[in-house]
Amino acid sequence: GAGVSQSPRYKVAKRGQDVALRCDPISGHVSLFWYQQALGQGPEFLTYFQNEAQLDKSGLPSDRFFAERPEGSVSTLKIQRTQQEDSAVYLCASSLERGHGYTFGSGTRLTVV
Amino acid sequence: SQKIEQNSEALNIQEGKTATLTCNYTNYSPAYLQWYRQDPGRGPVFLLLIRENEKEKRKERLKVTFDTTLKQSLFHITASQPADSATYLCAPILGTGGFKTIFGAGTRLFVKA
Repeated sequence: GAGVSQSPRYKVAKRGQDVALRCDPISGHVSLFWYQQALGQGPEFLTYFQNEAQLDKSGLPSDRFFAERPEGSVSTLKIQRTQQEDSAVYLCASSLERGHGYTFGSGTRLTVV
Repeated sequence: SQKIEQNSEALNIQEGKTATLTCNYTNYSPAYLQWYRQDPGRGPVFLLLIRENEKEKRKERLKVTFDTTLKQSLFHITASQPADSATYLCAPILGTGGFKTIFGAGTRLFVKA
Protein backbone atom coordinates (compact mmCIF):
# COMPACT_ATOMS: atom_id res chain seq x y z
CA GLY A 1 0.00 0.00 0.00
CA ALA A 2 0.91 3.65 -0.10
CA GLY A 3 1.56 3.94 3.61
CA VAL A 4 1.88 2.00 6.84
CA SER A 5 -1.48 0.72 7.99
CA GLN A 6 -2.28 -0.13 11.60
CA SER A 7 -5.36 -1.77 13.03
CA PRO A 8 -7.38 -1.38 15.05
CA ARG A 9 -7.22 2.40 15.31
CA TYR A 10 -8.61 2.26 18.85
CA LYS A 11 -8.78 -0.62 21.31
CA VAL A 12 -10.36 -0.73 24.75
CA ALA A 13 -9.36 -3.76 26.79
CA LYS A 14 -10.34 -4.90 30.23
CA ARG A 15 -7.44 -5.44 32.59
CA GLY A 16 -6.16 -8.96 32.17
CA GLN A 17 -7.36 -9.31 28.59
CA ASP A 18 -4.96 -10.22 25.75
CA VAL A 19 -4.73 -7.88 22.76
CA ALA A 20 -3.18 -8.12 19.29
CA LEU A 21 -2.20 -5.07 17.27
CA ARG A 22 -1.52 -5.35 13.57
CA CYS A 23 0.87 -3.47 11.32
CA ASP A 24 0.97 -3.57 7.51
CA PRO A 25 4.23 -1.93 6.43
CA ILE A 26 5.01 -0.43 3.04
CA SER A 27 5.59 -3.21 0.53
CA GLY A 28 9.29 -3.94 0.13
CA HIS A 29 10.37 -2.23 3.34
CA VAL A 30 12.88 -4.47 5.04
CA SER A 31 12.88 -2.81 8.44
CA LEU A 32 9.92 -2.66 10.79
CA PHE A 33 9.76 -1.00 14.20
CA TRP A 34 7.28 -0.87 17.05
CA TYR A 35 7.15 2.12 19.38
CA GLN A 36 5.04 2.99 22.40
CA GLN A 37 4.05 6.61 22.94
CA ALA A 38 2.58 7.99 26.15
CA LEU A 39 0.76 11.30 26.15
CA GLY A 40 3.14 14.23 25.87
CA GLN A 41 6.17 12.01 25.38
CA GLY A 42 8.24 10.95 22.42
CA PRO A 43 7.91 7.44 21.00
CA GLU A 44 9.71 4.78 23.05
CA PHE A 45 11.45 2.00 21.14
CA LEU A 46 10.00 -1.48 21.67
CA THR A 47 11.41 -3.79 19.01
CA TYR A 48 12.94 -3.96 15.53
CA PHE A 49 12.67 -6.49 12.70
CA GLN A 50 14.79 -6.90 9.63
CA ASN A 51 12.63 -8.99 7.32
CA GLU A 52 11.34 -11.80 9.56
CA ALA A 53 14.22 -11.65 12.02
CA GLN A 54 13.66 -9.83 15.29
CA LEU A 55 17.08 -8.24 15.77
CA ASP A 56 16.36 -6.08 18.79
CA LYS A 57 13.66 -6.52 21.41
CA SER A 58 15.40 -4.66 24.18
CA GLY A 59 12.57 -2.14 24.55
CA LEU A 60 9.79 -4.61 25.29
CA PRO A 61 8.78 -3.68 28.86
CA SER A 62 7.98 -7.19 30.08
CA ASP A 63 7.53 -10.77 28.97
CA ARG A 64 3.84 -9.98 28.50
CA PHE A 65 4.82 -8.21 25.27
CA PHE A 66 5.55 -10.28 22.20
CA ALA A 67 6.04 -9.28 18.56
CA GLU A 68 6.32 -11.31 15.41
CA ARG A 69 6.73 -10.85 11.67
CA PRO A 70 6.66 -14.43 10.38
CA GLU A 71 6.81 -13.76 6.63
CA GLY A 72 8.75 -10.54 6.69
CA SER A 73 5.80 -8.30 5.93
CA VAL A 74 2.83 -7.94 8.32
CA SER A 75 3.72 -7.72 11.99
CA THR A 76 1.68 -8.30 15.12
CA LEU A 77 2.36 -6.91 18.58
CA LYS A 78 0.68 -8.98 21.26
CA ILE A 79 0.19 -7.92 24.84
CA GLN A 80 -0.91 -10.57 27.29
CA ARG A 81 -2.76 -9.92 30.54
CA THR A 82 -2.98 -6.18 29.86
CA GLN A 83 -2.39 -3.76 32.72
CA GLN A 84 -3.43 -0.12 33.07
CA GLU A 85 0.14 1.02 32.54
CA ASP A 86 0.00 -0.52 29.05
CA SER A 87 -2.43 2.24 27.99
CA ALA A 88 -0.65 4.22 25.27
CA VAL A 89 -0.47 4.71 21.54
CA TYR A 90 1.40 1.92 19.78
CA LEU A 91 3.14 3.07 16.62
CA CYS A 92 4.53 0.95 13.83
CA ALA A 93 7.08 2.26 11.33
CA SER A 94 8.86 0.79 8.35
CA SER A 95 11.96 1.76 6.42
CA LEU A 96 13.50 0.73 3.14
CA GLU A 97 17.05 0.48 4.44
CA ARG A 98 19.61 2.04 6.75
CA GLY A 99 20.03 5.73 6.23
CA HIS A 100 16.44 6.34 5.18
CA GLY A 101 13.72 7.94 7.23
CA TYR A 102 10.92 5.91 8.73
CA THR A 103 7.30 5.93 7.62
CA PHE A 104 4.95 5.69 10.57
CA GLY A 105 1.39 4.47 10.75
CA SER A 106 -1.27 6.47 12.59
CA GLY A 107 -0.98 4.16 15.57
CA THR A 108 -3.32 2.12 17.73
CA ARG A 109 -4.58 3.84 20.86
CA LEU A 110 -4.89 1.20 23.57
CA THR A 111 -6.89 1.98 26.68
CA VAL A 112 -6.90 -0.59 29.47
CA VAL A 113 -9.80 -0.20 31.90
CA SER B 1 22.58 6.04 29.90
CA GLN B 2 21.70 7.59 26.55
CA LYS B 3 19.73 10.78 26.78
CA ILE B 4 18.14 13.20 24.32
CA GLU B 5 17.10 16.68 25.35
CA GLN B 6 14.79 18.94 23.41
CA ASN B 7 13.30 22.25 24.53
CA SER B 8 10.54 21.17 26.88
CA GLU B 9 8.93 24.59 26.75
CA ALA B 10 6.71 25.33 23.77
CA LEU B 11 8.13 27.71 21.22
CA ASN B 12 5.88 30.58 20.15
CA ILE B 13 6.89 32.66 17.16
CA GLN B 14 5.34 35.10 14.74
CA GLU B 15 4.54 34.11 11.17
CA GLY B 16 7.41 34.87 8.81
CA LYS B 17 10.12 34.49 11.46
CA THR B 18 12.66 31.68 11.69
CA ALA B 19 11.99 28.97 14.26
CA THR B 20 15.05 27.27 15.75
CA LEU B 21 14.69 24.05 17.72
CA THR B 22 17.51 22.40 19.66
CA CYS B 23 18.36 18.76 20.22
CA ASN B 24 21.17 17.76 22.56
CA TYR B 25 22.27 14.21 23.16
CA THR B 26 24.61 12.57 25.66
CA ASN B 27 26.31 9.17 25.87
CA TYR B 28 25.69 8.71 22.15
CA SER B 29 27.63 8.43 18.96
CA PRO B 30 24.87 8.54 16.36
CA ALA B 31 25.68 7.80 12.76
CA TYR B 32 22.56 9.64 11.63
CA LEU B 33 20.10 12.05 13.11
CA GLN B 34 16.53 12.43 11.99
CA TRP B 35 13.86 15.08 12.51
CA TYR B 36 10.16 14.33 12.46
CA ARG B 37 6.98 16.35 12.68
CA GLN B 38 4.02 15.05 14.68
CA ASP B 39 0.50 16.43 14.69
CA PRO B 40 -2.03 15.50 17.41
CA GLY B 41 -3.49 12.04 16.92
CA ARG B 42 -1.11 11.20 14.08
CA GLY B 43 2.11 9.28 13.70
CA PRO B 44 5.39 11.16 13.22
CA VAL B 45 6.22 12.26 9.68
CA PHE B 46 9.83 12.11 8.50
CA LEU B 47 11.33 15.46 7.52
CA LEU B 48 15.11 15.24 7.23
CA LEU B 49 18.03 12.92 7.92
CA ILE B 50 21.59 14.11 8.35
CA ARG B 51 24.69 11.92 8.49
CA GLU B 52 27.54 12.30 10.96
CA ASN B 53 29.90 13.49 8.22
CA GLU B 54 27.48 16.22 7.11
CA LYS B 55 27.44 19.58 8.85
CA GLU B 56 24.25 20.90 7.35
CA LYS B 57 21.32 19.76 5.26
CA ARG B 58 18.52 21.75 3.64
CA LYS B 59 15.12 20.95 2.24
CA GLU B 60 12.92 23.80 1.07
CA ARG B 61 12.36 26.01 4.16
CA LEU B 62 14.00 23.50 6.50
CA LYS B 63 17.63 23.38 7.60
CA VAL B 64 19.31 20.94 9.96
CA THR B 65 22.80 21.17 11.42
CA PHE B 66 24.69 18.37 13.16
CA ASP B 67 27.63 19.13 15.45
CA THR B 68 29.15 15.87 16.67
CA THR B 69 31.62 17.74 18.89
CA LEU B 70 28.92 19.66 20.73
CA LYS B 71 26.59 16.65 20.46
CA GLN B 72 23.88 18.92 19.19
CA SER B 73 21.53 19.32 16.24
CA LEU B 74 19.66 22.49 15.37
CA PHE B 75 16.48 22.48 13.29
CA HIS B 76 15.44 25.69 11.54
CA ILE B 77 12.20 26.57 9.79
CA THR B 78 12.54 29.80 7.81
CA ALA B 79 9.59 32.00 6.81
CA SER B 80 7.44 30.06 9.26
CA GLN B 81 3.72 29.66 8.67
CA PRO B 82 0.82 28.79 10.99
CA ALA B 83 0.67 25.41 9.21
CA ASP B 84 4.13 24.66 10.64
CA SER B 85 2.58 24.50 14.12
CA ALA B 86 3.23 20.96 15.40
CA THR B 87 5.53 18.97 17.66
CA TYR B 88 9.00 18.35 16.26
CA LEU B 89 10.92 15.26 17.33
CA CYS B 90 14.65 14.66 17.21
CA ALA B 91 15.77 11.07 16.68
CA PRO B 92 19.44 10.01 16.60
CA ILE B 93 20.19 6.59 15.16
CA LEU B 94 22.86 4.71 17.07
CA GLY B 95 26.08 4.11 15.20
CA THR B 96 26.22 0.57 16.46
CA GLY B 97 23.47 -1.87 17.30
CA GLY B 98 21.71 -1.67 13.99
CA PHE B 99 18.69 0.49 13.46
CA LYS B 100 17.62 1.32 16.98
CA THR B 101 16.33 4.87 17.06
CA ILE B 102 15.50 6.70 20.26
CA PHE B 103 13.28 9.76 20.11
CA GLY B 104 13.36 12.92 22.12
CA ALA B 105 10.18 14.12 23.84
CA GLY B 106 9.72 16.79 21.18
CA THR B 107 9.28 20.54 21.11
CA ARG B 108 5.85 22.03 20.53
CA LEU B 109 5.96 24.90 18.01
CA PHE B 110 3.18 27.48 17.69
CA VAL B 111 3.33 29.92 14.78
CA LYS B 112 0.99 32.87 15.17
CA ALA B 113 -0.51 34.65 12.18
